[in-house]
Amino acid sequence: QKEVEQNSGPLSVPEGAIASLNCTYSDRVSQSFFWYRQYSGKSPELIMSIYSNGDKEDGRFTAQLNKASQYVSLLIRDSQPSDSATYLCAVNYNFNKFYFGSGTKLNVKP
Amino acid sequence: DGGITQSPKYLFRKEGQNVTLSCEQNLNHDAMYWYRQDPGQGLRLIYYSQIVNDFQKGDIAEGYSVSREKKESFPLTVTSAQKNPTAFYLCASSSGTLSEQYFGPGTRLTVT
Repeated sequence: QKEVEQNSGPLSVPEGAIASLNCTYSDRVSQSFFWYRQYSGKSPELIMSIYSNGDKEDGRFTAQLNKASQYVSLLIRDSQPSDSATYLCAVNYNFNKFYFGSGTKLNVKP
Repeated sequence: DGGITQSPKYLFRKEGQNVTLSCEQNLNHDAMYWYRQDPGQGLRLIYYSQIVNDFQKGDIAEGYSVSREKKESFPLTVTSAQKNPTAFYLCASSSGTLSEQYFGPGTRLTVT
C-alpha cells in the first residue's frame, strides 16, 4: 500500500500570514505530485502540480518538492479567509494511479 | 464549457438495492477514475480506466462494478454486496500518464 501522509490539522494562521502545508510519501518511484483544495461538501479543485525537485510558484502559491527526502509542501502567502479549506496532497506512482493523503484542514482567521 | 458532470448530486437508497452513479466528461480525456471519500478521510480509489473497454480495480473495488463503453462515460454501480456504501463518490479524469486529475462535483449516496 502506497502511503501519503499529511498532518490532519487544523492549522490556524492569521490573515496575511504564510501557511505551510506538508506531505510525505513512501514510494521513491513517484513521478508527479499535486495539491488540491477541497471546501466542505465540495469536490477537490487542483491548485498546483509539480514534477521536478525545487520550487514552483503560481500567484500566492508555491509548491516545493524534495524527492531525496520524499517530501512535498505547499506555501500560501498572504493567506485569506477564503483559503480556509482542506488541502489534499496527491502522488502519481505509475500508469496514472494516484494516491491521496487524508488532507490538512487550514483555518485562516480574519 | 468543458468539464465533468456527475448525477445525481444526492441519492438515497434502501439496503439491498443496486444503484448506478453517472459520470460524463467532455474534456476528451482518456483516463477516468472513481473515488470514495468518507468523512474526515482522504480519497480511496475504487476503479480506474485508461482506455475504452478496459478498466482496473483500485484499492477498494469489492462491491462495486464499472463499465467503459464510451470515452466520455464511466458509470459506477454500487451493488448490494458493498457493506458500507454511504459515502461521497467522486469521478475524475485525466489526459494521460502523470497528468493532473480533474474532478466532477460528486454524488453523495446515503443507504439506509
